[in-house]
Amino acid sequence: GQNIDQPTEMTATEGAIVQINCTYQTSGFNGLFWYQQHAGEAPTFLSYNVLDGLEEKGRFSSFLSRSKGYSYLLLKELQMKDSASYLCAVTDSNYQLIWGAGTKLIIKP
Amino acid sequence: DAMVIQNPRYQVTQFGKPVTLSCSQTLNHNVMYWYQQKSSQAPKLLFHYYDKDFNNEADTPDNFQSRRPNTSFCFLDIRSPGLGDAAMYLCATSSETGGTDTQYFGPGTRLTVL
Repeated sequence: GQNIDQPTEMTATEGAIVQINCTYQTSGFNGLFWYQQHAGEAPTFLSYNVLDGLEEKGRFSSFLSRSKGYSYLLLKELQMKDSASYLCAVTDSNYQLIWGAGTKLIIKP
Repeated sequence: DAMVIQNPRYQVTQFGKPVTLSCSQTLNHNVMYWYQQKSSQAPKLLFHYYDKDFNNEADTPDNFQSRRPNTSFCFLDIRSPGLGDAAMYLCATSSETGGTDTQYFGPGTRLTVL
């Protein structure tokens, strides 16, 4: 079967750094997305990785290792508005998008 | 601004009473998707359209139907809502299908079934 694993919930402090991990077992791989979803709202696109390595975009960075079936989203200088769920999604060999259940990130002052 | 719009944002219906959710887009994207998302769960793809070509996911119940009368609009019809259909329904679009294009989501419609 196809599976995306993410921690259910994480807590971090305002101003700190947090790393949200995602591991995947899919039939093939054609890219990995990270989306942010605030409570009661729609997901919004954060990043897309298809090659190994780190992609940096402002306070957010996303890393991919295809050989390990692993990605992480790194959030720096955390702000209260970063409290949200972070969804990992992988495109498989059939070009279907497989979604994880998301990691709820709680930021404390 | 180009966007994906969903109406209504909140919908309440009675058990078994048909309901229609609507989605429109100004992005001129070829692909439109309907997802169901329950609390703390992954979005579940119900259907997608590539232009007028309809693609139904294998495990989407027959109770759910969809229409796309033109490029801009897409509708989700729930013929006989059950309590288990209470969820957030998300519409999304992408330029191309194939799962490598970024999907742009509307704000969602939260459906309550009484």
